[in-house]
Amino acid sequence: AQKVTQAQTEISVVEKEDVTLDCVYETRDTTYYLFWYKQPPSGELVFLIRRNSFDEQNEISGRYSWNFQKSTSSFNFTITASQVVDSAVYFCALSGINAGNMLTFGGGTRLMVKP
Amino acid sequence: SQTIHQWPATLVQPVGSPLSLECTVEGTSNPNLYWYRQAAGRGLQLLFYSVGIGQISSEVPQNLSASRPQDRQFILSSKKLLLSDSGFYLCAWSLPTTPTGYTFGSGTRLTVV
Repeated sequence: AQKVTQAQTEISVVEKEDVTLDCVYETRDTTYYLFWYKQPPSGELVFLIRRNSFDEQNEISGRYSWNFQKSTSSFNFTITASQVVDSAVYFCALSGINAGNMLTFGGGTRLMVKP
Repeated sequence: SQTIHQWPATLVQPVGSPLSLECTVEGTSNPNLYWYRQAAGRGLQLLFYSVGIGQISSEVPQNLSASRPQDRQFILSSKKLLLSDSGFYLCAWSLPTTPTGYTFGSGTRLTVV
């Protein structure tokens, strides 16, 4: 069985602060994929990143960075110098190679960035 | 390129009325299709998924049903809506085997009154 835990249900920061969203996963598959999605107030889920289990390199995209650590089964997401437009619900998700491309989502973290 | 269309964007329906939400995908063949519901301030609940025409798997027993009459068309229905059916409904598609993740539609905000 697969499971994704996002322990932080809500985070509130002031603009320009750095913030890290935690994601811990469980899977029995040795090959799997991890994802992050952003859901702004408009509602549509927007794909941010996909990583496979064989690639533990951290990734940076502008103010966004992701830290994948297999040893702790975590795939954390950091926003540097947060902005009001970053306010959204963020979902972490997992797809095991034997799951038929089904995603298991975490419960989401609501990030509020205040000006 | 692939696109996903979901409509309507918002819907207000009285209790006991029927429901039909439609989702279509363009630019790909034989996609996996999904219906999710999100209650206010909550996470994503998988309602149905389909791996082919006429093949529907239900994740949560309730008064909703889904159908896939064509390869790239996925319909969510109800014969009689309940107040508890209110929420944000999202359709999504994915490739059948390659784990590239899902692409979501823009969602339908349903309010049952």
